[in-house]
Amino acid sequence: DGGITQSPKYLFRKEGQNVTLSCEQNLNHDAMYWYRQDPGQGLRLIYYSQIVNDFQKGDIAEGYSVSREKKESFPLTVTSAQKNPTAFYLCASSIGKNGNQPQHFGDGTRLSIL
Amino acid sequence: AQSVTQPDIHITVSEGASLELRCNYSYGATPYLFWYVQSPGQGLQLLLKYFSGDTLVQGIKGFEAEFKRSQSSFNLRKPSVHWSDAAEYFCAVGPSWDYKLSFGAGTTVTVRA
Repeated sequence: DGGITQSPKYLFRKEGQNVTLSCEQNLNHDAMYWYRQDPGQGLRLIYYSQIVNDFQKGDIAEGYSVSREKKESFPLTVTSAQKNPTAFYLCASSIGKNGNQPQHFGDGTRLSIL
Repeated sequence: AQSVTQPDIHITVSEGASLELRCNYSYGATPYLFWYVQSPGQGLQLLLKYFSGDTLVQGIKGFEAEFKRSQSSFNLRKPSVHWSDAAEYFCAVGPSWDYKLSFGAGTTVTVRA
């Protein structure tokens, strides 16, 4: 079945440590996204990518970094500069190109601080 | 800039009763509108979408939504709620020329027996 796989499901970070969240899709979608979800705040866009080797900052990119070396992969690194990383992180993808293509979501990674 | 407001943070309904979730958006033109549902600890699943045409759209799981341009609203409805409908629901809006979405803060639905 086609879909989006996020791993790990749970992740713990120590102070000063960078951690990387994995996102892989086999939907052959061009666009991929990372969102952060906090209780009562909905989803906030961290980074998005429309094409391989290109990505743009979203609304809350500070303290995060991404890469898009392959069409199917869009890993997110939460750096030590992100002072409040505890949240639920969602990866999504869409066919892209215009707004009438819905986004498909993975099952998320919950990141906590040790 | 586009924005989405879901006025109700939490709604409790009895099983078998009807459900209506409100969504208001702010946008300069007719946007693309979506409703998603999220079960605890999982990702979001698309319920339905509106781009143009008939203002009443049907989705999965027996949900429907009505687009009202004059009220800038896109409310989600279900005639008879099942216990499995307990979840968090998100309204999202995006422009036709871009595929970045803005999400509302969500409405949590509790279903009582």
